[in-house]
Amino acid sequence: KAGVTQTPRYLIKTRGQQVTLSCSPISGHRSVSWYQQTPGQGLQFLFEYFSETQRNKGNFPGRFSGRQFSNSRSEMNVSTLELGDSALYLCASSLGRDRGNTEAFFGQGTRLTVV
Amino acid sequence: GNSVTQMEGPVTLSEEAFLTINCTYTATGYPSLFWYVQYPGEGLQLLLKATKADDKGSNKGFEATYRKETTSFHLEKGSVQVSDSAVYFCALSADTGRRALTFGSGTRLQVQP
Repeated sequence: KAGVTQTPRYLIKTRGQQVTLSCSPISGHRSVSWYQQTPGQGLQFLFEYFSETQRNKGNFPGRFSGRQFSNSRSEMNVSTLELGDSALYLCASSLGRDRGNTEAFFGQGTRLTVV
Repeated sequence: GNSVTQMEGPVTLSEEAFLTINCTYTATGYPSLFWYVQYPGEGLQLLLKATKADDKGSNKGFEATYRKETTSFHLEKGSVQVSDSAVYFCALSADTGRRALTFGSGTRLQVQP
């Protein structure tokens, strides 16, 4: 079956702009999580959506937001971009059950560069 | 809070050498433990997992055993190949409440022919 698809793969934006990233999870997966990867901070959790509701949230400013649609596809938005937002943004999907297997499958990521 | 500590890299080995990448964790309860691998320019791929104490995860010749008494999940492989060159991440997922993955800092492995 198809894996997790993230679009676009690469983005270049100017400081102060906003950006929207998209993630299509594996068919049947209802949970989508977003992570930011930078050389300095490593992999950090942004938020998780399950059945169109944000279920968990990491320690990021309000400029970072997301949403999930009824087909489980998710978008992440970053407003008022800063140079420090340059990173690889990874999306992961999982079945999302409350207990048991929480295995997450990752997409290839979107490389965002803020200039 | 939860945390994962990995050995610093890079780790440089010759082909067919034995690999160990150390990983220890701090968490309450009984988290699930994972090793992910990231090849250049790619996302993360799940390498193996263990969901309870004494479980051994294995895949593609890699193994790791969930040791609750030492809070460790060390990655091992008996004979590495050049194609194993990548960055390896140890991660945990809490068993209750917030289930986001907490990652270690990653260990770069370079295998020379």
